[in-house]
Amino acid sequence: AIQMTQSPSSLSASVGDRVTITCRASQDIRNDLGWYQQKLGEAPKLLIYAASTLQSGVPSRFSGSGSGTDFTLTISRLQLEDFAIYFCLQDYIYPLTFGGGTKVEIK
Amino acid sequence: QVKLVQSGAEVKKPGASVKVSCKASGYSFTGYYIHWVRQAPGQGLEWMGRISPDTGDRKFAQDFQGRVTLTWDTSISTAYMELSGLRPDDTAVYYCARDLNPVTSFCCGGFDVWGQGTILTVSS
Repeated sequence: AIQMTQSPSSLSASVGDRVTITCRASQDIRNDLGWYQQKLGEAPKLLIYAASTLQSGVPSRFSGSGSGTDFTLTISRLQLEDFAIYFCLQDYIYPLTFGGGTKVEIK
Repeated sequence: QVKLVQSGAEVKKPGASVKVSCKASGYSFTGYYIHWVRQAPGQGLEWMGRISPDTGDRKFAQDFQGRVTLTWDTSISTAYMELSGLRPDDTAVYYCARDLNPVTSFCCGGFDVWGQGTILTVSS
């Protein structure tokens, strides 16, 4: 199975900061990667699919980039509602695999 | 509005089975894969498997092969996930999720709609 290594596992940031989260795949997954946000007690929410396509309704401060094995989720100006856990998911091949998650906390 | 609504919380004893339902509405049920994902308390997300409500084609994660049964009922637009041989470490929230890609695609495009989750507690 493809391993997805996500970093950092947690970070502290302030409102207005630029935040970057990375995912590295153990093999080439083209651009078949998505990013999800999960708030406490809620189901995950799709933010980005196909590595860089913004899901409908998601604010434009979220962006994704990368292909092959290295991917990045960027939040350009962190808002209060962005404090959450973020996961990547490779959907290139079965079994699908998630990254371990990044908890974004308030500094 | 596209929605997935799951069945309620369950408490089971070790060795028992549980069957979770996921009722779809607002779209063509047979047109999109349904995936199942679980999340143990304080842990990350784990993909379990997926089913095509069109053909019944199934894919599973290795850890669940043989212990998870995925079924569906087109007449009521509902997918089911049955997990047998329950252990305390199966205690988790179980989610169903719709794939962004239609079933005509080999694989996947991301999970654009999620159920609200079903809490399963396994304890003697």
